[in-house]
Amino acid sequence: EDKVVQSPLSLVVHEGDTVTLNCSYEVTNFRSLLWYKQEKKAPTFLFMLTSSGIEKKSGRLSSILDKKELFSILNITATQTGDSAVYLCAVAPNAGNNRKLIWGLGTSLAVNP
Amino acid sequence: GAVVSQHPSWVICKSGTSVKIECRSLDFQATTMFWYRQFPKQSLMLMATSNEGSKATYEQGVEKDKFLINHASLTLSTLTVTSAHPEDSSFYICSARVNLNQPQHFGDGTRLSIL
Repeated sequence: EDKVVQSPLSLVVHEGDTVTLNCSYEVTNFRSLLWYKQEKKAPTFLFMLTSSGIEKKSGRLSSILDKKELFSILNITATQTGDSAVYLCAVAPNAGNNRKLIWGLGTSLAVNP
Repeated sequence: GAVVSQHPSWVICKSGTSVKIECRSLDFQATTMFWYRQFPKQSLMLMATSNEGSKATYEQGVEKDKFLINHASLTLSTLTVTSAHPEDSSFYICSARVNLNQPQHFGDGTRLSIL
């Protein structure tokens, strides 16, 4: 059965800390892995990863994919209180009707001032 | 770019009422749109997938006669919750995607409260 597992489930840090969020997957016919940030409303798109070893970066956030070991990490450096959110990882398979995303349960990050 | 607008953002109505939620892709054409439901502190639960001009594909356990989905154009999909009851109260979120090689982009969601 296809699955996506995120760890840790929750994390509390202080402003300025660096955090690493993990996402491992077991998916038949992998196509891409996506990271989203969800605050009080709906998720906002962060990164889409398709190739191993190529880091994607946006400001203080970065992510990388390892297709051999079947995982991805999301790094946030110099965290701010505005980074507090649930970070969701999802994998898009390359087969099946409409290629629906397989979602992890998310990592809840709280950044304290 | 890739903006998805969902309307209304909040609905409160009486039991037995039907409620329509709209999802529009504002600056791109969405081949596929998705409808999710989310309960507090839980992950997204996919309800159905709709392709423009085709009937929606519903997930197991989701009643298609209860949750009517229409995807009449490449920029608009609607979800109608028919004869809503308190147990239908939830956060409903739509997303839209250009094609398989692009990510899903989400609307802001609709909080539905049935009294």
